[in-house]
Amino acid sequence: DVKVTQSSRYLVKRTGEKVFLECVQDMDHENMFWYRQDPGLGLRLIYFSYDVKMKEKGDIPEGYSVSREKKERFSLILESASTNQTSMYLCASSPQQGYNSPLHFGNGTRLTVT
Amino acid sequence: AQSVTQLDSQVPVFEEAPVELRCNYSSSVSVYLFWYVQYPNQGLQLLLKYLSGSTLVKGINGFEAEFNKSQTSFHLRKPSVHISDTAEYFCAVSLSGGYNKLIFGAGTRLAVHP
Repeated sequence: DVKVTQSSRYLVKRTGEKVFLECVQDMDHENMFWYRQDPGLGLRLIYFSYDVKMKEKGDIPEGYSVSREKKERFSLILESASTNQTSMYLCASSPQQGYNSPLHFGNGTRLTVT
Repeated sequence: AQSVTQLDSQVPVFEEAPVELRCNYSSSVSVYLFWYVQYPNQGLQLLLKYLSGSTLVKGINGFEAEFNKSQTSFHLRKPSVHISDTAEYFCAVSLSGGYNKLIFGAGTRLAVHP
C-alpha cells in the first residue's frame, strides 16, 4: 500500500518565519504535488514535480517554493510566513506511467501562522 | 481553462436514504474525472474514476457516478447511505495527456443523520 507521510500534523509559526513542510512517499512515484485546502475553496495546487530536481508552478505558487533533491521527498518552503498562509497543506504522489493514475495523499499538515 | 463546480456545499441526509452529490465541469478538451473522499482528520482517498468506456462508474463503499458529456456532469450517487459515509467529497478533473495535475471542486460536506 502506498504511504505518503507528512512530517508534522500541526504546526504553529510566527509571521516572517521560514517554514519547511516535508513529505515522503515510499512507492517510487515520479510525480509529487503540494496542495492547500481551504474551506469553500477545495484544494488548490501550489507546486508539483515530475522528476528529481524538476518543479512546475501550480495555480497559487506565490509565497512558496519547493525542493526535490531525492525522488521520495518533496519539500514545501514558505520563505517568510504570513497569516494568509494559515491553511491545511496536503502532499500527494502518483506514478508517471499513466496520466490517469490516482493521487495518493498524506494526512495533511495544519499550519497556523500568528 | 478547466474548472469544476460542486453545486452543493453541504448535503444533510438521513441514514438509509439515497443521496446525489452534483458535479459539473468545464473543459474544451478530453478530461478524466474523479471523486475523492476525505474523512475527518485524514487525507483524500479515491472513490472512483472515469477514464473512458462505460459512462456509469462504480467505486468503493457502494458509490457510483455517471458521466454525462452533453451536460458536462459527473454526479455521485449512493442508493442508501450510512452514518460512516459522513465526510467531505471532492470532484476533480485532469487533462488527458497531462501530468496528473488535478483541478478540484470546492467540496461537498455530506452529513448523515440517524
